[in-house]
Amino acid sequence: EAGVTQSPTHLIKTRGQQATLRCSPISGHTSVYWYQQALGLGLQFLLWYDEGEERNRGNFPPRFSGRQFPNYSSELNVNALELEDSALYLCASSLFGTVGFYEQYFGPGTRLTVT
Amino acid sequence: GDSVTQMEGPVTLSEEAFLTINCTYTATGYPSLFWYVQYPGEGLQLLLKATKADDKGSNKGFEATYRKETTSFHLEKGSVQVSDSAVYFCALSDPTPMAGGTSYGKLTFGQGTILTVHP
Repeated sequence: EAGVTQSPTHLIKTRGQQATLRCSPISGHTSVYWYQQALGLGLQFLLWYDEGEERNRGNFPPRFSGRQFPNYSSELNVNALELEDSALYLCASSLFGTVGFYEQYFGPGTRLTVT
Repeated sequence: GDSVTQMEGPVTLSEEAFLTINCTYTATGYPSLFWYVQYPGEGLQLLLKATKADDKGSNKGFEATYRKETTSFHLEKGSVQVSDSAVYFCALSDPTPMAGGTSYGKLTFGQGTILTVHP
């Protein structure tokens, strides 16, 4: 069974540009999560999508946005890039339910560098 | 809001040494607790979990007990191996009310602890 995949592996942008990161969840998973792993700051929750809807959002500015497609894949868009947006962006997927916790499976990440 | 605090690293041990990585948390609800591991060059993996007070999660010789009274979830292993060298993250998931029930979607992570084990 294929795991969570992310593309591209690396992305280099300049300040002010837009970045688009993509994620494909494990087959059968409807929930997709985005996390930012900036150097020295640990993992910060960004966004959670399920069935095409945004379920929760972390403490990030509106220029961080995303969407989930009917096939449950997801895009993360970062507008007006700033130097501090340089980080590893991790995507995770899980089943969705209203009882208990479903394990989140993580992808390998996209390394975004803003120059 | 929710937060997780891990002991600062890096931690360097000799093979067969005892490992403890401290983790404490604050949460608004009754969270589930987790340890994730990130091996060099690999993605984040769930190592173990505990969903209620006094639960002990265990996997690959690692253990952690959910201590509600001290809001802690310390990771332990009796005898580490070189292959345990990795970054370890403590995390929690607070229940989020949803239509039809409760979900545990968002993970709040600690800063991570780098463990290096020497032969």
